[in-house]
Amino acid sequence: DAKTTQPPSMDCAEGRAANLPCNHSTISGNEYVYWYRQIHSQGPQYIIHGLKNNETNEMASLIITEDRKSSTLILPHATLRDTAVYYCIVTMYQAGTALIFGKGTTLSVSS
Amino acid sequence: DGGITQSPKYLFRKEGQNVTLSCEQNLNHDAMYWYRQDPGQGLRLIYYSQIVNDFQKGDIAEGYSVSREKKESFPLTVTSAQKNPTAFYLCASSMGPDSSYEQYFGPGTRLTVT
Repeated sequence: DAKTTQPPSMDCAEGRAANLPCNHSTISGNEYVYWYRQIHSQGPQYIIHGLKNNETNEMASLIITEDRKSSTLILPHATLRDTAVYYCIVTMYQAGTALIFGKGTTLSVSS
Repeated sequence: DGGITQSPKYLFRKEGQNVTLSCEQNLNHDAMYWYRQDPGQGLRLIYYSQIVNDFQKGDIAEGYSVSREKKESFPLTVTSAQKNPTAFYLCASSMGPDSSYEQYFGPGTRLTVT
């Protein structure tokens, strides 16, 4: 069972920030929030992950609420190449544990 | 170039035939995974392996088999017992237990069984 809830689709104008929400109200203390994306007909790509602090890398920022029950992935300047399905996943920090992918959010970036 | 390769990209088979999908990684990762994706759906786990000569069933292992004789290879066989084998198959790997958890995915194999 997926532990997260995401909107099925979102639209964003090119150059604007894309803010993708995710609810994970049953997250436990030792579970991390991971974000992946999948461009059409390709393998998923890791974006970012976090435990409780906000995180930023070259691709995106991750904002986790203080109670850890929800998070937001931010793509600061969306481009057409960011059009993809974005998956929010909650999992323990342990290699060998399988990821549970839900249906994700389809982000459409338009010019 | 380090990464995961899957071959072939497209595969066509007749119903009743077994087919083996290849997955090779040169990332020196200990763990490897097989997922299945159907149109408009998320990924579902078929099998995973944390070390050589060991593997565990995922959520939808029925009709599939795997082997892990080498660290870099994790082939998946789709048997004739799999009722709906037509799907997009993705292989992934991740580092060992002392490292961060990101899974790296291959480009996938699209299997069509008629």
